[in-house]
Amino acid sequence: GENVEQHPSTLSVQEGDSAVIKCTYSDSASNYFPWYKQELGKRPQLIIDIRSNVGEKKDQRIAVTLNKTAKHFSLHITETQPEDSAVYFCAPRVGGYNKLIFGAGTRLAVHP
Amino acid sequence: GAVVSQHPSWVICKSGTSVKIECRSLDFQATTMFWYRQFPKQSLMLMATSNEGSKATYEQGVEKDKFLINHASLTLSTLTVTSAHPEDSSFYICSAIETSGRAGYEQYFGPGTRLTVT
Repeated sequence: GENVEQHPSTLSVQEGDSAVIKCTYSDSASNYFPWYKQELGKRPQLIIDIRSNVGEKKDQRIAVTLNKTAKHFSLHITETQPEDSAVYFCAPRVGGYNKLIFGAGTRLAVHP
Repeated sequence: GAVVSQHPSWVICKSGTSVKIECRSLDFQATTMFWYRQFPKQSLMLMATSNEGSKATYEQGVEKDKFLINHASLTLSTLTVTSAHPEDSSFYICSAIETSGRAGYEQYFGPGTRLTVT
């Protein structure tokens, strides 16, 4: 089955710094790569996603880069703010199916 | 935007009883819905894929006789935890994909149901 690894598991940054989270997957047929933000007790919230025919996508302070050859994609958050503090999950789509397999999560803490 | 609701938002039940959780797509049709379980400080674990009008597909290690899934319409899927035990206490989250395909592969998540078994 699909194997998904996410690093780091925790990340602590100062407000204004950048944060990068990396996700490695095993299924070469994966073609959809979303990142979710989850606050305590809430549902996962899609913050950005990318398809396999695109290498990079940006939305204001958030960007995602994809390297299909190496089978990894990364979340980049610039100018971090305290409200960015949450748990972030990558969840690549399993090729040929609609299901997503979630990484273990990264707990991001942004300190004022 | 697409909205998914869950009911109840939280439930406490006694060991040995059954609990039903509903997942509804409010403003779109969903041929496929998914059920996840999330333990404290852990990731979302996919339990099963629910397809309207057919049997659910369960992930490896998930007991289909314990977690009964019914997807009787394009807007409603239910998860019944049968003979619940304290170890079934968890946060259960559903998601749905819009049948029309307008949203591509994006899954819309419900707010979750917190189950506590005493």
